Amino acid sequence: KAGVTQTPRYLIKTRGQQVTLSCSPISGHRSVSWYQQTPGQGLQFLFEYFSETQRNKGNFPGRFSGRQFSNSRSEMNVSTLELGDSALYLCASSLVASGGALKAYTQYFGPGTRLTVL
Amino acid sequence: DQQVKQNSPSLSVQEGRISILNCDYTNSMFDYFLWYKKYPAEGPTFLISISSIKDKNEDGRFTVFLNKSAKHLSLHIVPSQPGDSAVYFCAARCGNTNAGKSTFGDGTTLTVKP
Repeated sequence: KAGVTQTPRYLIKTRGQQVTLSCSPISGHRSVSWYQQTPGQGLQFLFEYFSETQRNKGNFPGRFSGRQFSNSRSEMNVSTLELGDSALYLCASSLVASGGALKAYTQYFGPGTRLTVL
Repeated sequence: DQQVKQNSPSLSVQEGRISILNCDYTNSMFDYFLWYKKYPAEGPTFLISISSIKDKNEDGRFTVFLNKSAKHLSLHIVPSQPGDSAVYFCAARCGNTNAGKSTFGDGTTLTVKP
């Protein structure tokens, strides 16, 4: 079974631009979460989508947004990029979001998209 | 306020010895805890987890211990192997409806020397 895929793997943008990152979850997984990892920091939760609905949201400004499609693929968008947005953006998928066995909640991560804002 | 803390940024151990990675949390609502391993240029890989109703979970060379009264968990790797060298993240979740929202520590870099 193919793992979580993220595109593109690397991206360079300038301040003020916007960017869209894509994530394809493992086949059959319905929950997709996004995390930001900056140098020296742990992973910071951005948001989670399940069945095309945002279920949870982290403490990020409104410039960060996302969506999920009917095939569970997800995109996140960052508008008006700032230098501090330079980070590794990770997507994780899990089989279910609630009501199942605990193992079904295990999140599987993609390789990430490395975004550099100049 | 950082709710999950890994106070040791790095740890170095000899091959064959035990590696003990520690994690502290402050939110008493956390009820599920996970450890992930991350190699450079890859996403984190799930290692082992533990529910708050247990105090120990073992999977091969990996054992996670949970001390709820101290709000502390630890990951033991025995015996340590050079391939275990990676960054280890501790994570915690709060309730089933938040299964997709994990709070991570900053990570501990483990180096296992041959």
